[in-house]
Amino acid sequence: EAGVAQSPRYKIIEKRQSVAFWCNPISGHATLYWYQQILGQGPKLLIQFQNNGVVDDSQLPKDRFSAERLKGVDSTLKIQPAKLEDSAVYLCASSLAAGGPSDEQFFGPGTRLTVL
Amino acid sequence: QKEVEQNSGPLSVPEGAIASLNCTYSDRGSQSFFWYRQYSGKSPELIMSIYSNGDKEDGRFTAQLNKASQYVSLLIRDSQPSDSATYLCAVNHEDNDMRFGAGTRLTVKP
Repeated sequence: EAGVAQSPRYKIIEKRQSVAFWCNPISGHATLYWYQQILGQGPKLLIQFQNNGVVDDSQLPKDRFSAERLKGVDSTLKIQPAKLEDSAVYLCASSLAAGGPSDEQFFGPGTRLTVL
Repeated sequence: QKEVEQNSGPLSVPEGAIASLNCTYSDRGSQSFFWYRQYSGKSPELIMSIYSNGDKEDGRFTAQLNKASQYVSLLIRDSQPSDSATYLCAVNHEDNDMRFGAGTRLTVKP
């Protein structure tokens, strides 16, 4: 079974530029998550989708971050414009079922973003 | 507040010893508890999940949960150098709000 796919793996941009990340979850997984992991910290949830609907985006900085999952499969996360403090690894995860408390999440390899 | 606290370490143990990793959480409504292993530069990998009080064993790993004390731990028996990684505790809440601790860095010395 193929795992969660993400691209690109690395991205370097200047501040105020825009960037987009792509994620393809494990086949059949209904729930998709985007996390931000700053060096030395645990992952922080940015947004959770169940199929193509948003379940939780309470920690997403909506003035600059946006995400979509139009067909309920793959997803994109965009930052526009980027700030220095956005430098982090962006992790995508997916889970099989309805995203309930007992759902086990499986992570992709992540995209390492450096903002200069 | 939904805080998840871990000792950042580093925790250093000799090969073959038992490594004990601890995690406390603040929300009594927490329902599910997970341990992830994260090698440097890699993504988190799920190694254990536990949902009810007591112990759960899987090979060399044992997760322990005490909801009254709001405490979850991970024991690694017969530690190997390949176990050297950061271990993340994750707690999922009633409203499906998953929070991660900052992780404990474990080093197993040959």
